Amino acid sequence: AQTVTQSQPEMSVQEAETVTLSCTYDTSESDYYLFWYKQPPSRQMILVIRQEAYKQQNATENRFSVNFQKAAKSFSLKISDSQLGDAAMYFCAHPGQDGNKLVFGAGTILRVKS
Amino acid sequence: NAGVTQTPKFQVLKTGQSMTLQCAQDMNHEYMSWYRQDPGMGLRLIHYSVGAGITDQGEVPNGYNVSRSTTEDFPLRLLSAAPSQTSVYFCASGRQGKSSPLHFGNGTRLTVT
Repeated sequence: AQTVTQSQPEMSVQEAETVTLSCTYDTSESDYYLFWYKQPPSRQMILVIRQEAYKQQNATENRFSVNFQKAAKSFSLKISDSQLGDAAMYFCAHPGQDGNKLVFGAGTILRVKS
Repeated sequence: NAGVTQTPKFQVLKTGQSMTLQCAQDMNHEYMSWYRQDPGMGLRLIHYSVGAGITDQGEVPNGYNVSRSTTEDFPLRLLSAAPSQTSVYFCASGRQGKSSPLHFGNGTRLTVT
C-alpha cells in the first residue's frame, strides 16, 4: 500500500523567515511524481509544487522549493520569506500505482507570526 | 473558466436520510474522484472514475455510490447517512496519468446528526 507521512502536525514561522515542512512516502514505483497542496482557511485545495522522481534538480516555484531525496523517499517543502498569506494546511501527496489516485499525508498546519 | 464545481457548500442531514453531492467539471478531464477530509487523516479516496461509464472503489467506499454517465458529471450519493459520514467532501478531476495534478472543487461540509 502506498503511504505518505507528514510527521509535523503543526509548524510556526516568523514572517520573512524560512520554514521546511517534512514528508516521507513509500512506493515501489520507479517513475512517479510528488505534489504539495496548500489548503487555506477558505478550504480550497491549491497546487503548490510538483516534482518528477526522475529529475535530479529540485523543483522551485517562486518562494517555494522542494528538497527531494529519492533514496530516502523524502520530499520536504521549503518556504522562503514567509508571508502571512502562507498560513494554511499543507498536504504532501503521491500518486498510487494507477496514476491519478493521489494518496495524501495527514497534513501540516503552518502558522505565520507577524 | 469554472473548473470543478461542487454543490452544495454545506449540508446537514439526519441519520438515515439520503442525499447526492453534485460535481461537474468543464476541463474535459477523463479522471474524476471523490475524497473525504477528516482531522488528522488527510484526504481519503472514496470512489473514482477514469471515464464515462467506468467507476471504481477507493480506500473508503462503504456507504457511498457513484455513477459517471457523462465526462463532465460525477455525483456522489449517500444512501443512508450516518454520523460517521460527517466530514468535508472534495471532488477532484485531472487528465489521465501520474504527472497530472488534480483540480479540486471547493468542498462540501456535511454534518449528520
